[in-house]
Amino acid sequence: QQQVKQSPQSLIVQKGGISIINCAYENTAFDYFPWYQQFPGKGPALLIAIRPDVSEKKEGRFTISFNKSAKQFSLHIMDSQPGDSATYFCAARGGTASKLTFGTGTRLQVTL
Amino acid sequence: EAEVAQSPRYKITEKSQAVAFWCDPISGHATLYWYRQILGQGPELLVQFQDESVVDDSQLPKDRFSAERLKGVDSTLKIQPAELGDSAMYLCASSPGQGAEAFFGQGTRLTVV
Repeated sequence: QQQVKQSPQSLIVQKGGISIINCAYENTAFDYFPWYQQFPGKGPALLIAIRPDVSEKKEGRFTISFNKSAKQFSLHIMDSQPGDSATYFCAARGGTASKLTFGTGTRLQVTL
Repeated sequence: EAEVAQSPRYKITEKSQAVAFWCDPISGHATLYWYRQILGQGPELLVQFQDESVVDDSQLPKDRFSAERLKGVDSTLKIQPAELGDSAMYLCASSPGQGAEAFFGQGTRLTVV
């Protein structure tokens, strides 16, 4: 049972453009929503995370938008750069003791 | 910068053979996770330890997989016998405690032939 649905599966953006990746969840007990960035041959690295008490969080060029009523959250990468080319995973967790449930990933390619 | 260490980085094994992976978490991290990541998918939790105790192993195929963290520090994940479908990246992660940010190692890429 997939509890976190992620789209699109792949994304091509021109340098300087905005990359948008969307996730939707079903479990209302989820209270922590991180995004991970993974380069080939490496483990995932935490990029940015949000809790449902805020609707938006921004760190540099990366912004999470959160819609609690729709049970959706998204990652926006502003001024996308070729170095941002990687696979991005959204995830969700409910409570401090529970596991992270990951989305299926979005492969982002930023072209020159 | 402290890192989660995993070895080996790559492993090729024949089906029905035994294989083991090792993980050394960041010093002081009480929580340790083993995840499996099939190519093109997100990581899925296999087992979670809090110190030396198993907190969650509900997704661990216990007929062939075993995991231990005897002294509450490093950990070993074993598969015996390996099957073709076990080919995947095995990721170890650690965190200071349950609910804290998890840091991932570079993983072990397993290929079963």
